[in-house]
Amino acid sequence: RKEVEQDPGPFNVPEGATVAFNCTYSNSASQSFFWYRQDCRKEPKLLMSVYSSGNEDGRFTAQLNRASQYISLLIRDSKLSDSATYLCVVNRPNFNKFYFGSGTKLNVKP
Amino acid sequence: DGGITQSPKYLFRKEGQNVTLSCEQNLNHDAMYWYRQDPGQGLRLIYYSQIVNDFQKGDIAEGYSVSREKKESFPLTVTSAQKNPTAFYLCATQTDLNTEAFFGQGTRLTVV
Repeated sequence: RKEVEQDPGPFNVPEGATVAFNCTYSNSASQSFFWYRQDCRKEPKLLMSVYSSGNEDGRFTAQLNRASQYISLLIRDSKLSDSATYLCVVNRPNFNKFYFGSGTKLNVKP
Repeated sequence: DGGITQSPKYLFRKEGQNVTLSCEQNLNHDAMYWYRQDPGQGLRLIYYSQIVNDFQKGDIAEGYSVSREKKESFPLTVTSAQKNPTAFYLCATQTDLNTEAFFGQGTRLTVV
C-alpha cells in the first residue's frame, strides 16, 4: 500500500465552483501534513500546512482527520489560475522523510 | 535573495556519462533532499542529508551519489549505472523536522 494516496483526477470544474480533494495516508505515526501546488514543469510550492484544528487561507481550507487518516483541501470560488496539480505531503520526522502523493490535477474552465 | 538555486535548468547527457547537478542554498537550513519526479508520478526520494558530512540513501539511491561538504551545497551525481535517468530532479531543504520543505526550481535531465 502506498504511504500517501490521492485521486489523480483530473477534476474539471467551471470558474466559481467549489472543489474538494482528499488524500489518505497509511502510517498513523505521521506528524506533519501539507498541501503543495505544482504548475506544469515547475517545482512544488507550499500552499498550506494542515493542522489538527484545520486551517483556512482565503478561498482554501484544509482539514486533518487523524482517526480516518486523511487530509482534505477545499477550494471555494475557483479561479482559472487555480489550475494546477495539488500534492498531498506527509512528514514522518523520525524517518527524516516526506511522503508525496502523486498529485490531483485540477482544471478550472471559463 | 534567500533561496535554493539548482543548476543547470536543463541538462543533456549521453549514455555512459556521469553528470553532476548542483544545489546551493543560503537559507541556513540543515536538511537537504534530492527527489526525482517522472511524468504523472509523485516525488521519489534519492538521498537526504541532515548535517554536513552526513547523508543517507533514500528509496531510489541506486545509480546516484551525493556529497555534503558544506552546509550550503548538496550536489547530486547521476552515474552511468543509473539506467533510466531522464527525469525532473528537485532539490529541497528543511529547517526543522516538522516543518515544510522548500524546493529549488529543478533540473530537467534528458539522456540523448
